[in-house]
Amino acid sequence: RKEVEQDPGPFNVPEGATVAFNCTYSNSASQSFFWYRQDCRKEPKLLMSVYSSGNEDGRFTAQLNRASQYISLLIRDSKLSDSATYLCVVNVRYGGSQGNLIFGKGTKLSVKP
Amino acid sequence: DTGVSQDPRHKITKRGQNVTFRCDPISEHNRLYWYRQTLGQGPEFLTYFQNEAQLEKSRLLSDRFSAERPKGSFSTLEIQRTEQGDSAMYLCASSLGPPLYEQYFGPGTRLTVT
Repeated sequence: RKEVEQDPGPFNVPEGATVAFNCTYSNSASQSFFWYRQDCRKEPKLLMSVYSSGNEDGRFTAQLNRASQYISLLIRDSKLSDSATYLCVVNVRYGGSQGNLIFGKGTKLSVKP
Repeated sequence: DTGVSQDPRHKITKRGQNVTFRCDPISEHNRLYWYRQTLGQGPEFLTYFQNEAQLEKSRLLSDRFSAERPKGSFSTLEIQRTEQGDSAMYLCASSLGPPLYEQYFGPGTRLTVT
């Protein structure tokens, strides 16, 4: 089982739609969780951190379920500019190690007019 | 621009040649990371520095790869005797120390080995 798994996508949605991405992680020692956005042939950009209580940033809502080892990202009222690949990212610490970011393969979103 | 910068942005080299990439992190960040990304995959961790100390290396980092951060500021990643399988985007990221693990990426260096 891969350490971070995401919906394979692609997701093709019309403008204004609500879209949800799911992600599961295998290591229960995972401590930090993030969603990154990556545009074609560009670097990943941090979209939001994911907190245990869930958090919202404008049209974006992230949730974490530690018991199920599941992370989600909800995008409301999607815009054409939301078209990108969304990467689920987990940080795992081992012993004294600071831990490294483990990336999912990403889910591609295409928002159509 | 105070973000992470990388140089060069693109590099085409022949198999067997050595290449070196540079990364300049965000100035107040003491941690610097190197990742490799191939098409259709997420970035894969290669190595990381805290200040000038290289603290972790992935088993992906073969003996042909070496990274340095001599003064705890910029870093270089060298690949010796390049192979076609080394073709990828090489990404650098930086972060503040714990508890903030948010990493910020540079634009990457796209390597093509012919």
